[in-house]
Amino acid sequence: RKEVEQDPGPFNVPEGATVAFNCTYSNSASQSFFWYRQDCRKEPKLLMSVYSSGNEDGRFTAQLNRASQYISLLIRDSKLSDSATYLCVVNKGTYKYIFGTGTRLKVLA
Amino acid sequence: NAGVTQTPKFQVLKTGQSMTLQCAQDMNHNSMYWYRQDPGMGLRLIYYSASEGTTDKGEVPNGYNVSRLNKREFSLRLESAAPSQTSVYFCATQLAGVSYNEQFFGPGTRLTVL
Repeated sequence: RKEVEQDPGPFNVPEGATVAFNCTYSNSASQSFFWYRQDCRKEPKLLMSVYSSGNEDGRFTAQLNRASQYISLLIRDSKLSDSATYLCVVNKGTYKYIFGTGTRLKVLA
Repeated sequence: NAGVTQTPKFQVLKTGQSMTLQCAQDMNHNSMYWYRQDPGMGLRLIYYSASEGTTDKGEVPNGYNVSRLNKREFSLRLESAAPSQTSVYFCATQLAGVSYNEQFFGPGTRLTVL
């Protein structure tokens, strides 16, 4: 079993739709969780950190479920510019992070 | 501010050749990382440097060496390139080795080994 697992997609959604991704992780000792966005042939960039209480940034909401060991990302009112690959990242120790393979999102006009 | 820069952007090597990938940051960050990204796999840590003067192995260090030249620069060397090292290489920096701190990535180096 992979340490971090994501559905690779692609998720094809129309503009304005709401879409959600989940990511499961295996290390119950992990303390830090992130969603990064990666555009085609570009570097990953932080979208948001995921806190225990859940957090929201505009149209994006992240949740953490420690009991079931998964994090989620909800995108409301999808825009064409949201088309990208979303990487789930979980820490494994202070300097070690496990990256998921990413979930590809395509927002269609 | 340039953030994190990497050179070269693209490189083609023949099996057995050597090369050094350069990474520099102007963010005054303490920690630096080298990752590789392959299709169907998440980014994998090759080496990291918690602070100037220290380096440690990551998940996939075989075939690579690193040098933390100073606080700004962290280089990755392939002594004898192999086709299995064909990949996209990303350098990243982090303010300090606190696990909740964001990592900032450079634009990547696309390496092909023939």
